[in-house]
Amino acid sequence: GAGVSQSPRYKVAKRGQDVALRCDPISGHVSLFWYQQALGQGPEFLTYFQNEAQLDKSGLPSDRFFAERPEGSVSTLKIQRTQQEDSAVYLCASSASAGGYNEQFFGPGTRLTVL
Amino acid sequence: TQLLEQSPQFLSIQEGENLTVYCNSSSVFSSLQWYRQEPGEGPVLLVTVVTGGEVKKLKRLTFQFGDARKDSSLHITAAQPGDTGLYLCAFPSGGSNYKLTFGKGTLLTVNP
Repeated sequence: GAGVSQSPRYKVAKRGQDVALRCDPISGHVSLFWYQQALGQGPEFLTYFQNEAQLDKSGLPSDRFFAERPEGSVSTLKIQRTQQEDSAVYLCASSASAGGYNEQFFGPGTRLTVL
Repeated sequence: TQLLEQSPQFLSIQEGENLTVYCNSSSVFSSLQWYRQEPGEGPVLLVTVVTGGEVKKLKRLTFQFGDARKDSSLHITAAQPGDTGLYLCAFPSGGSNYKLTFGKGTLLTVNP
């Protein structure tokens, strides 16, 4: 596959459960981003990786949110003790260059519903 | 905090009509990007504008960046059902070149 893939595409969790969302970026892309998109809103930045280093996590809403990219390719966004306000589409994007203002290629997202 | 306002929020038109959507801010943009997001998909970059007064064309889409770099518009000529989607503008924020701040978008529906 040439694009960014995310799994699962849909996730339903009961309040209080932990969830893990996976992102497979475009092969060789240095930069990886996570965004949260609530219903009727534009995406909001969560965190940024350059290779395996998490350089910016300023958008993570609380300490229940944790992201990793241990080998500089696949990334996982983990949400602990999910709350109803966590319901949203979680988008992953990758970019070929480090930092800079270059095209970010987005995956299709994971739609998380917390009951 | 620099915010983006997009208008209209919703737009429903018939195939063949022309339309314009807007992206505005009270502050100057260093640059601006336009994206289209189809249902169930991630946003796809359409264009990046950098210079005040810049006009870029992409087939039936014309993008304009205001002279003062505080506003931008997207004009679609002879809209087609395939143009249906959420049109988002975004700019790099927080002193970074990578952290994109998006507007809420304009949801366009083109009816056949």
